[in-house]
Amino acid sequence: GQSLEQPSEVTAVEGAIVQINCTYQTSGFYGLSWYQQHDGGAPTFLSYNALDGLEETGRFSSFLSRSDSYGYLLLQELQMKDSASYFCALDTGGFKTIFGAGTRLFVKA
Amino acid sequence: EAQVTQNPRYLITVTGKKLTVTCSQNMNHEYMSWYRQDPGLGLRQIYYSMNVEVTDKGDVPEGYKVSRKEKRNFPLILESPSPNQTSLYFCASSPLGQNTEAFFGQGTRLTVV
Repeated sequence: GQSLEQPSEVTAVEGAIVQINCTYQTSGFYGLSWYQQHDGGAPTFLSYNALDGLEETGRFSSFLSRSDSYGYLLLQELQMKDSASYFCALDTGGFKTIFGAGTRLFVKA
Repeated sequence: EAQVTQNPRYLITVTGKKLTVTCSQNMNHEYMSWYRQDPGLGLRQIYYSMNVEVTDKGDVPEGYKVSRKEKRNFPLILESPSPNQTSLYFCASSPLGQNTEAFFGQGTRLTVV
């Protein structure tokens, strides 16, 4: 089947850089997405990697390596407002989307 | 403003009493989907729809029904809710194709007692 694994929690200091990893098992997929969700809120789209390599969007970057079945989300210049849950998601191409269980990021002052 | 609207936001109901959660989007998106979110399990896809009158099962469809009679609306129907359907539900929409951003509604917190 298809599955994704993420760490359940990550803690980092304001102003630092943090990397949230996502490993996956799948027979094929179109791309890997990342979403942010604040407590009580809806998931919001951050990035999408269709090809191997790094995609940069402001303070956030996302990376994909298909050969390693691995991706990560990199958050730079951490701010308190970045405290949230982060989900990786597989675009399976068959109109199904498979989400990881999420990583809760705590940013400390 | 582009948005996905779900109603109600909160609902407490009793086992076996049929209910419908509505979802509407104003972005003319072809693709719509329902997810449930439970602690430690992330978002799991219930049903999705590629366009009007075209729907298919996601990973956890048991106990749920959907319909897509109009492009903008995608209601989720629980014919006979059970306590294991207590969850946080999200509707999402996006254009068809790769690399498309999904827009989520604000969620519906359902409790079945």
